[in-house]
Order: sequence, then structure tokens, then C-alpha cells
Amino acid sequence: EAGVAQSPRYKIIEKRQSVAFWCNPISGHATLYWYQQILGQGPKLLIQFQNNGVVDDSQLPKDRFSAERLKGVDSTLKIQPAKLEDSAVYLCASSPTLMGTEAFFGQGTRLTVV
Amino acid sequence: GQNIDQPTEMTATEGAIVQINCTYQTSGFNGLFWYQQHAGEAPTFLSYNVLDGLEEKGRFSSFLSRSKGYSYLLLKELQMKDSASYLCAVLIMNTGFQKLVFGTGTRLLVSP
Repeated sequence: EAGVAQSPRYKIIEKRQSVAFWCNPISGHATLYWYQQILGQGPKLLIQFQNNGVVDDSQLPKDRFSAERLKGVDSTLKIQPAKLEDSAVYLCASSPTLMGTEAFFGQGTRLTVV
Repeated sequence: GQNIDQPTEMTATEGAIVQINCTYQTSGFNGLFWYQQHAGEAPTFLSYNVLDGLEEKGRFSSFLSRSKGYSYLLLKELQMKDSASYLCAVLIMNTGFQKLVFGTGTRLLVSP
């Protein structure tokens, strides 16, 4: 079974530029999460999709971050404009709908804003 | 809101036993996960507890007390490759969906 795919693996941009990350979850997984993990900290949930609908985006900085999940499969997360404090690893994870099943993570995208 | 606490860092010696604690205060609790994360890599699943008690899986065991809002991960016969961060994550039920919220993680350093 293929895992969660993310691209790119690394990205370096200047502040005020824009950037987009892509995630392809495990086939059939209805739930998709985007997490932000700053160095030395635990993952922080940014946004959660159930199929193609947003169920939680309470911690997403909506003035600069946006995300979509077209057709309930792939997802993109965009930052525009980026700030220095956005430097982090952005992790995508997916899980089946079945309650209590674990989330599977992609390798993440390491973003450096300079 | 949710509050999930873990020690920031722990050290132990190869061959020893270490216990990593996690305390939580959440509403809608629906289980607790432990994940392992090596530096620069994605978190990988270790264990899931939803009922009180101990779950054993090889060298790793996880314990949960729902009434105390407390869990621990026990690692036996430590190996150098166990040096990693260990993430406690609580599964929270909302209306119609569940979400996974992580603690800050515990970095474990295993020395020879």
C-alpha cells in the first residue's frame, strides 16, 4: 500500500513570497490533516478535512494560509505572503473514517523562510 | 481547549528501561496515541489506548488511566536506535468527526 506522498521535500523562499505544498493521502482515507511542526516542538494542527470539506481550521492563520482538498483526494496548502516564523516542517497525514484508527504521515516539507 | 503535557527531554543508558509520561486535559477524549519520530523523519505509530490499562507490544508498552488523564510509554531494553522524539497525541471527538492533537513531544537520548 502506498503511503502519504508530499512534495516538495524542501523549500527555501524569501519573506513575503508565496509557496504551496502538495499532499496525496492514502487511497480511500477520508480524513486529511495538515500540521505545522516547528523545530523542537510537537505537530500543531492547522486544518483538517473530512472528504473535501473543512471540519476544523481553528488554528489556521487565515490571513496568510489557505488550503483546499479538491474531489476529496489531493490537498494543497498555500502560504501568501510568508513570514520568517513560518519556517517549519509541514506534515500531511491521513486516516480512515473508522474511529480510533491511527493517522499515517507523509515525509513532510521543510520550509525555510529567509 | 486542550492541554497535553510531556517532559521536554530525557536521557537513558543502552539496555535500561525508561518511562515517558503524558498528562492531558481535554473534552471529548476518544483515545491516546504514541508516535515515534526520528530527526528529520515523519512520525510513526507506536500504540493506541482507549481503555484503562496496559498494552504491551514487544519492547514497548503503553498505559492509560482515563480518570487521571494520564498515560505513559515504557521502553525496555533500550537500544541506540530508540533515540528519537516520542509524541503523545489525544484523539478528540467532535460532532461528526475526530481530530488528533499532539503534545510537545519528549526527546529521548540513549547513550552507550
